[in-house]
Amino acid sequence: ETGVTQTPRHLVMGMTNKKSLKCEQHLGHNAMYWYKQSAKKPLELMFVYSLEERVENNSVPSRFSPECPNSSHLFLHLHTLQPEDSALYLCASSQDLGLGGGQPQHFGDGTRLSIL
Amino acid sequence: QQQVKQSPQSLIVQKGGISIINCAYENTAFDYFPWYQQFPGKGPALLIAIRPDVSEKKEGRFTISFNKSAKQFSLHIMDSQPGDSATYFCAASNGYGGSQGNLIFGKGTKLSVKP
Repeated sequence: ETGVTQTPRHLVMGMTNKKSLKCEQHLGHNAMYWYKQSAKKPLELMFVYSLEERVENNSVPSRFSPECPNSSHLFLHLHTLQPEDSALYLCASSQDLGLGGGQPQHFGDGTRLSIL
Repeated sequence: QQQVKQSPQSLIVQKGGISIINCAYENTAFDYFPWYQQFPGKGPALLIAIRPDVSEKKEGRFTISFNKSAKQFSLHIMDSQPGDSATYFCAASNGYGGSQGNLIFGKGTKLSVKP
């Protein structure tokens, strides 16, 4: 496989469930990102990892818990979510962080999450 | 100051016409301005990007025009085709600030090209 792969593509869960989203990148990149995409809103950056170390957490509620076991894999663990958390969750990777002048990010196709 | 304002929200263009999407920013420290294209059910894909040392960049039918003094940049799609129908996002980043060079995205423009 090539690029950035996200699983599952769709997820429906109740507010008391615990689930995890998975992202895998096959590009040899060092930085990985989680974004939330909601209708009519800009993409919201949630977490940034560089070389498996979390470098940014954009005031994301603790019910979202990221994990980056190695530079190719990124997880987003979900528990006790709220209805407003229903959205498309996108994973992205870049060669390095955008420090020093911009880095193209490569996105997966996302996980469509619905909270009942 | 970290916002990127994108307009219009939606755009309908006839096949063969020119599609123009505009973005404006406030932070003069932004130094990288990409455009992403997103089809339904897919993630955003990088289309074209520009840095502030040039005023225009062209790749095929896609052109970015950049006006540093006005703090605006725009995407022009020449000879628009039905296959260009997608949502387009502008973005900006500051590689020398304290934000890790993270991308700040506009809200997106949904383009429909009518045959």
